Amino acid sequence: DTAVSQTPKYLVTQMGNDKSIKCEQNLGHDTMYWYKQDSKKFLKIMFSYNNKELIINETVPNRFSPKSPDKAHLNLHINSLELGDSAVYFCASSHLGVENEQFFGPGTRLTVL
Amino acid sequence: QKEVEQNSGPLSVPEGAIASLNCTYSDRGSQSFFWYRQYSGKSPELIMFIYSNGDKEDGRFTAQLNKASQYVSLLIRDSQPSDSATYLCAGGTPSGGGADGLTFGKGTHLIIQP
Repeated sequence: DTAVSQTPKYLVTQMGNDKSIKCEQNLGHDTMYWYKQDSKKFLKIMFSYNNKELIINETVPNRFSPKSPDKAHLNLHINSLELGDSAVYFCASSHLGVENEQFFGPGTRLTVL
Repeated sequence: QKEVEQNSGPLSVPEGAIASLNCTYSDRGSQSFFWYRQYSGKSPELIMFIYSNGDKEDGRFTAQLNKASQYVSLLIRDSQPSDSATYLCAGGTPSGGGADGLTFGKGTHLIIQP
């Protein structure tokens, strides 16, 4: 299927652990994103990335780091997880440019205990 | 600080009526605007996008943009129970490189009453 996929769908872990969420898109897009949706359903950009530029939202702690092995993948690595990191994380992709539709993955629900 | 404001609702509309969803944005540099629909537990899916002042129609949906007032709206005609969802308004502001995320509002929860 043509889509944006994420793994895992659910992730439950202890405070202080390090975890990664993987994202892959087969839409031929050159730009990928990570969004965080908190318990109040507020969707907020964390990172925007293409092969030339990484834009980091200044409010994102440096415990979060995106890693892109190639144009089709943008993984999210989180160090020293905290309770406040519990949220749904969405990966998205688009062609370069804010005028283009962003396609969202199914989301990863992260619960930090 | 880029902000997009929406009334969180819930907005309750009878089936068959017109649902009107509104959004304002703070960044005058925003150039593109999107309406996403999100069902509970699902990912956002695009309903409409608009770049120019005025109206844009697609089936039962009409998006309206007024850049002078920094206002975006979505009208849903002949509302159906399947339209019940949270509607997210988003604005895109180019930074120059183009790899920009969207700024989302907190969403309006729409309920269509059968």
